[in-house]
Amino acid sequence: GNSVTQMEGPVTLSEEAFLTINCTYTATGYPSLFWYVQYPGEGLQLLLKATKADDKGSNKGFEATYRKETTSFHLEKGSVQVSDSAVYFCAPGGGSARQLTFGSGTQLTVLP
Amino acid sequence: GAGVSQSPRYKVAKRGQDVALRCDPISGHVSLFWYQQALGQGPEFLTYFQNEAQLDKSGLPSDRFFAERPEGSVSTLKIQRTQQEDSAVYLCASSLETGNARSEAFFGQGTRLTVV
Repeated sequence: GNSVTQMEGPVTLSEEAFLTINCTYTATGYPSLFWYVQYPGEGLQLLLKATKADDKGSNKGFEATYRKETTSFHLEKGSVQVSDSAVYFCAPGGGSARQLTFGSGTQLTVLP
Repeated sequence: GAGVSQSPRYKVAKRGQDVALRCDPISGHVSLFWYQQALGQGPEFLTYFQNEAQLDKSGLPSDRFFAERPEGSVSTLKIQRTQQEDSAVYLCASSLETGNARSEAFFGQGTRLTVV
């Protein structure tokens, strides 16, 4: 099956700071890679995804590149906003497993 | 419907009570997943349906947990004789495609179960 190791939080940043949340995975087969976000009081939402090596997923200013050689999918944003405050989950899916395998989540708080 | 709908949103059960949690997936979605999310943790897989067939129940923690999707649409997760360790948020997700998890999964807002 798949497994994932995600940078632990909480992470607190000032508005406009640079964000990196590290994620590494192990997988049998060739999974797709996802970042999901959970805003306060809301359900999990897909933030971005990448389906093959060297693909870059991007959305809302966030980016992550599928690095097969390092089995990583680090999330980055150049300038965070207060509205980005949420919990972020890295999740490989597919390969030998139908389901998503979630990391423990990283709580991000952005201060004005 | 517009999204995945779960009910109830909150459930308080006395220890030993049976509970039933409902999930209405997005219309036409073939795949349906149940996850359990403990406080401060990521969701953990419980079970997977493709239409009405339960193809994977390897994540169900005990035989007190039972899930069904008899007509390939609405699904119910039932927990018998609830224990305090069952307290968690139960998430349902659906996706359009079958097979592996390459397509986007859409999540409901979850049911928060508290066993007292």
